[in-house]
Amino acid sequence: AQSVTQLGSHVSVSEGALVLLRCNYSSSVPPYLFWYVQYPNQGLQLLLKYTSAATLVKGINGFEAEFKKSETSFHLTKPSAHMSDAAEYFCAVTGYSSASKIIFGSGTRLSIRP
Amino acid sequence: NAGVMQNPRHLVRRRGQEARLRCSPVKGHSHVYWYRQLPEEGLKFMVYLQKENIIDESGMPKERFSAEFPKEGPSILRIQQVVRGDSAAYFCASSHPGQDSGNTIYFGEGSWLTVV
Repeated sequence: AQSVTQLGSHVSVSEGALVLLRCNYSSSVPPYLFWYVQYPNQGLQLLLKYTSAATLVKGINGFEAEFKKSETSFHLTKPSAHMSDAAEYFCAVTGYSSASKIIFGSGTRLSIRP
Repeated sequence: NAGVMQNPRHLVRRRGQEARLRCSPVKGHSHVYWYRQLPEEGLKFMVYLQKENIIDESGMPKERFSAEFPKEGPSILRIQQVVRGDSAAYFCASSHPGQDSGNTIYFGEGSWLTVV
């Protein structure tokens, strides 16, 4: 069984500050991990994914995430927040099998203070 | 290249009516997912389909909900005798395992169902 836990349903940072969104996963098999972003009334857009090629994954819009097996974590970071980063962010996990469904965390709403 | 196309984007139904939501996957993708998102909540897995086959329907409510992905045509999520609690955004996603490593799924823009 697989699951993800996102710590903090709402995170608020100042413009220009570091963004850190936390995600911990549980998986009985080596996981694939993803971060998606959702803007209001829109679908989900893939930010980045971990597929075991490299533990530090760089995504779009300046975001990156580091896979830490010892901590079962896949936290999302961005060095300097921009107002346009305000959105809902979802961490997700799946297995290697094509029959594995993708399980999403409950989401973290990121707000940016001017 | 067209992404995942969902229609209708917005649907209003009276209690007891049927709702049909359609999803055309990315061209060449053979797998389709349906997720439901209730207001202020995350995405809940409903069903995972391959053409003419249901791979995993563990998230589907036992009654009134059904899904199909025929050999030809879009995937359909069907909700019979809708109730107010069915009001939600329904997202479709598609993938082609093996084509793109990591079982990456690509989402449509969603269908917003309102039951009045």
